[in-house]
Amino acid sequence: AQSVSQHNHHVILSEAASLELGCNYSYGGTVNLFWYVQYPGQHLQLLLKYFSGDPLVKGIKGFEAEFIKSKFSFNLRKPSVQWSDTAEYFCAAENAGNNRKLIWGLGTSLAVNP
Amino acid sequence: KAGVTQTPRYLIKTRGQQVTLSCSPISGHRSVSWYQQTPGQGLQFLFEYFSETQRNKGNFPGRFSGRQFSNSRSEMNVSTLELGDSALYLCASSLVGHSNTGELFFGEGSRLTVL
Repeated sequence: AQSVSQHNHHVILSEAASLELGCNYSYGGTVNLFWYVQYPGQHLQLLLKYFSGDPLVKGIKGFEAEFIKSKFSFNLRKPSVQWSDTAEYFCAAENAGNNRKLIWGLGTSLAVNP
Repeated sequence: KAGVTQTPRYLIKTRGQQVTLSCSPISGHRSVSWYQQTPGQGLQFLFEYFSETQRNKGNFPGRFSGRQFSNSRSEMNVSTLELGDSALYLCASSLVGHSNTGELFFGEGSRLTVL
């Protein structure tokens, strides 16, 4: 069955630390990949997406993600986190062919201490 | 520009009852998707509507149904409620469907508690 796995459920970092959140998917074929973020008290919003082309994708607020096809991974990174990055992060994937359905990871809760 | 509006925000029902949730998408958006979010299962896709037609459906029982009106507003209905239906129900809209734009715009959700 198609699935998306996020390795870390809870991450705690200090400000200025580097961040990497893991995401693996189990699709065969061509996939579209997404990271969404939910800040406290706010709704889910798109952080970045990968459809094709350059496997290194830049998103909002200094986030980036790298698509590594051979590893079925789409890890999210940020060189230096801020307190305002405290949020829940969700990875999602869909089969780029017909009958597209977004499959979501369970999310990673990130807490950044000032 | 108004965002995605979901009503009601909170509701409590008892087993066996039915519930209808409403979603008003961003103006101009024609696609509406519904998701169920629970701590254990995360976000699970329920269905997507586009121009009043169900375009895609997740793996939920027939008790879960939806529809979309000509103004793109959507409703979902859950009949014969079970305790396990307690969840946050999220609606998301997009211009033509997330597959084309890569971006879903989410509402704040309707939190359903089934007692």
